[in-house]
Amino acid sequence: GQNIDQPTEMTATEGAIVQINCTYQTSGFNGLFWYQQHAGEAPTFLSYNVLDGLEEKGRFSSFLSRSKGYSYLLLKELQMKDSASYLCAAVTAGGGNKLTFGTGTQLKVEL
Amino acid sequence: DSGVTQTPKHLITATGQRVTLRCSPRSGDLSVYWYQQSLDQGLQFLIQYYNGEERAKGNILERFSAQQFPDLHSELNLSSLELGDSALYFCASSSHPGTGGAAKGYTFGSGTRLTVV
Repeated sequence: GQNIDQPTEMTATEGAIVQINCTYQTSGFNGLFWYQQHAGEAPTFLSYNVLDGLEEKGRFSSFLSRSKGYSYLLLKELQMKDSASYLCAAVTAGGGNKLTFGTGTQLKVEL
Repeated sequence: DSGVTQTPKHLITATGQRVTLRCSPRSGDLSVYWYQQSLDQGLQFLIQYYNGEERAKGNILERFSAQQFPDLHSELNLSSLELGDSALYFCASSSHPGTGGAAKGYTFGSGTRLTVV
């Protein structure tokens, strides 16, 4: 089966750095996505990792270790608008190569 | 606007009824995926279609069915509705049957909020 774990909630201060971790156990792993979702809205793409290492994109970076089944999303220079749910999703091969999502980490950015 | 269009945006219906949710994928995308998101729950994969054919099935109830038409739009049919079916239903599309080299993964529509009363 597929299992993706991430913390339920995190709180951080505006301007700070926060790291959201995700561990996964999936068969046929074929990459990992991070999405941002504001309440009641559609998830929007943040990053994609298929090889081990760090991918940097502006204030957002994502890291993947395939051997450890581990990923993290790093958010720098936090802004109030970054308050949202962050979804980790593993791509599993076979059939349609579907995305399996974790339950999301609700990030609250405070002053 | 993501390019994925879902209608209606909101739907309120009674238990036991049947509804149809519609999704038009982004231009050029052949794959359509349906997800259910209940309150405080993650996105649960329901079903995927690729170019008109069912490609993968997730935790979709027998009361639910879907199809993808020749023009690539898709419909999700929910019947004998129960209170627990109240949720956000998202459609997503991608250009590949999987996400392979499509590094942007899926593009999501804005969802249909279904309320069963």
